[in-house]
Amino acid sequence: SQKIEQNSEALNIQEGKTATLTCNYTNYSPAYLQWYRQDPGRGPVFLLLIRENEKEKRKERLKVTFDTTLKQSLFHITASQPADSATYLCALPTGGGNKLTFGTGTQLKVEL
Amino acid sequence: EPEVTQTPSHQVTQMGQEVILRCVPISNHLYFYWYRQILGQKVEFLVSFYNNEISEKSEIFDDQFSVERPDGSNFTLKIRSTKLEDSAMYFCASRPTSGGMGTQYFGPGTRLTVL
Repeated sequence: SQKIEQNSEALNIQEGKTATLTCNYTNYSPAYLQWYRQDPGRGPVFLLLIRENEKEKRKERLKVTFDTTLKQSLFHITASQPADSATYLCALPTGGGNKLTFGTGTQLKVEL
Repeated sequence: EPEVTQTPSHQVTQMGQEVILRCVPISNHLYFYWYRQILGQKVEFLVSFYNNEISEKSEIFDDQFSVERPDGSNFTLKIRSTKLEDSAMYFCASRPTSGGMGTQYFGPGTRLTVL
């Protein structure tokens, strides 16, 4: 069956450093992959989408890579700030692309 | 910037009671979704809705659940007879008809507590 895995352990980093989060998937070949941010008690907020034919995508301090051979996406936040502290979710289109299947998310904490 | 809105933000109900969760999707979107997230767990798909009918539903979405678009703006999720295990955050989402390759925009959620 299809599986999406993200590091379940929280990631603690110092302000100014680069945070790198991992999303691995199995038994699936998605046409694209998305990253969302979720704050406690709030809904997911869309950050970035990367297509299967794109190796890398950037938006301000965010960078996403997509390796369809390894079945992995990496999500980077450069020059991290305490305001970046949140849970980051990886999501893939499934069921013909009509719905999203989410990973469990990785909690990021940026410390001063 | 247009947003998906949901009401109420928090709903407390007794087991066996009916609840209706309400959503106002972004106005020019035509695909609508409900997801839920049990505390500490991942966001799970419940149902998708397009052209006034359900296009897909998960195994969670059994006969106790229904969705409706009663007018041009609201999208509702009804749970007929709530169970303790229905306690969760329920998120509504919407998507434009074209472009965005399936990017879904989520509302802030309704926290449902079943006692």
